[in-house]
Amino acid sequence: GAGVSQTPSNKVTEKGKYVELRCDPISGHTALYWYRQSLGQGPEFLIYFQGTGAADDSGLPNDRFFAVRPEGSVSTLKIQRTERGDSAVYLCASSAGQGHGELFFGEGSRLTVL
Amino acid sequence: AQSVAQPEDQVNVAEGNPLTVKCTYSVSGNPYLFWYVQYPNRGLQFLLKYITGDNLVKGSYGFEAEFNKSQTSFHLKKPSALVSDSALYFCAVRDFTGTASKLTFGTGTRLQVTL
Repeated sequence: GAGVSQTPSNKVTEKGKYVELRCDPISGHTALYWYRQSLGQGPEFLIYFQGTGAADDSGLPNDRFFAVRPEGSVSTLKIQRTERGDSAVYLCASSAGQGHGELFFGEGSRLTVL
Repeated sequence: AQSVAQPEDQVNVAEGNPLTVKCTYSVSGNPYLFWYVQYPNRGLQFLLKYITGDNLVKGSYGFEAEFNKSQTSFHLKKPSALVSDSALYFCAVRDFTGTASKLTFGTGTRLQVTL
């Protein structure tokens, strides 16, 4: 597709369950970012991939959160033992490089942990 | 670390009037500044950016922003607001750490344009 695609658009799960969120970036974009946005807040950085490797994972809140990008394209954000505080919209973005360019965002995956 | 601040949670303006959404920044080195807009239940859309050059940057949907180095500001402006401009606006700065970089966002300003 032309833009960044995220699935699922909505996910409702129970506390303690495991969740995977998928991001398909714009074709050819080498940089991929995950952000988390809570209600009424700005996007909060989680992790950044350049190619297949995580160049900066300083925003991951704890070891329950993990992300992969094995072939340098699609990425999966994985959350183990979900907690109610994990409820948020998870945004994925991609860009052509790591320089001055803008990020292109998907519409997000809304996660609700009951 | 680089940061931006948006001092207003909400800005109200009548349609047809000029609008300003404020942003100030704190960076070491040259700032790379961005504005994004978010409509309800949608992802963020890029409006404009300042990297270098002319202090007045023009972007999408008739928006522009003025970079002011002495005041460390990058306010978003539009000469004549439309009801359809009502949305959440985010200022952001490119934050370089070693070989990596990311966008760091402000807390957002809700723009409400009324008839």
